[in-house]
Amino acid sequence: GEDVEQSLFLSVREGDSSVINCTYTDSSSTYLYWYKQEPGAGLQLLTYIFSNMDMKQDQRLTVLLNKKDKHLSLRIADTQTGDSAIYFCAESPLTLSGGYNKLIFGAGTRLAVHP
Amino acid sequence: DTAVSQTPKYLVTQMGNDKSIKCEQNLGHDTMYWYKQDSKKFLKIMFSYNNKELIINETVPNRFSPKSPDKAHLNLHINSLELGDSAVYFCASSQETAQYFGPGTRLLVL
Repeated sequence: GEDVEQSLFLSVREGDSSVINCTYTDSSSTYLYWYKQEPGAGLQLLTYIFSNMDMKQDQRLTVLLNKKDKHLSLRIADTQTGDSAIYFCAESPLTLSGGYNKLIFGAGTRLAVHP
Repeated sequence: DTAVSQTPKYLVTQMGNDKSIKCEQNLGHDTMYWYKQDSKKFLKIMFSYNNKELIINETVPNRFSPKSPDKAHLNLHINSLELGDSAVYFCASSQETAQYFGPGTRLLVL
């Protein structure tokens, strides 16, 4: 089956690290994504990882993938007030036609950064 | 020079009307999508086109009809609008993997 789950809320102090967690169920090879949505805005692609990788780092963002537990996390170092947003985890499993055409989203984690 | 653009940004209309939303991408991507985001922020795919051909059609009422005149454009026409159609509709495009989203069209049906 196809399902992506995330915790709904996270509150952190400015300057601390934030860790947003996600679990997925699809057992096929898949791409896993993190998107950011600020109020009233569209979805901004932050980073993505293929399911044969363990980790990907991009400036303040670190993605960790535990394939055995199907657990994905996004760590934001030195969290700033501008990081306050909804963060969506999504997977794109390999389809029968051989493409990665469909994004299955989690419900989104609302990150609040306070001084 | 916006990568994925949608028009209109806001759409307020009466129940029973027919409306269209347009999407254009200048990224040279082959695949385009429509997603619906409901009031609880949940996102679900509706349709996907690859090079003008429909490849994904999720369980969507047939009042919704996508149309792709060329691979850079994907429009969404909605007939007989219902209150439950109120949502934010996002267009996206991709070339094999990462999908890039437009700014969304906020539809309110009264």
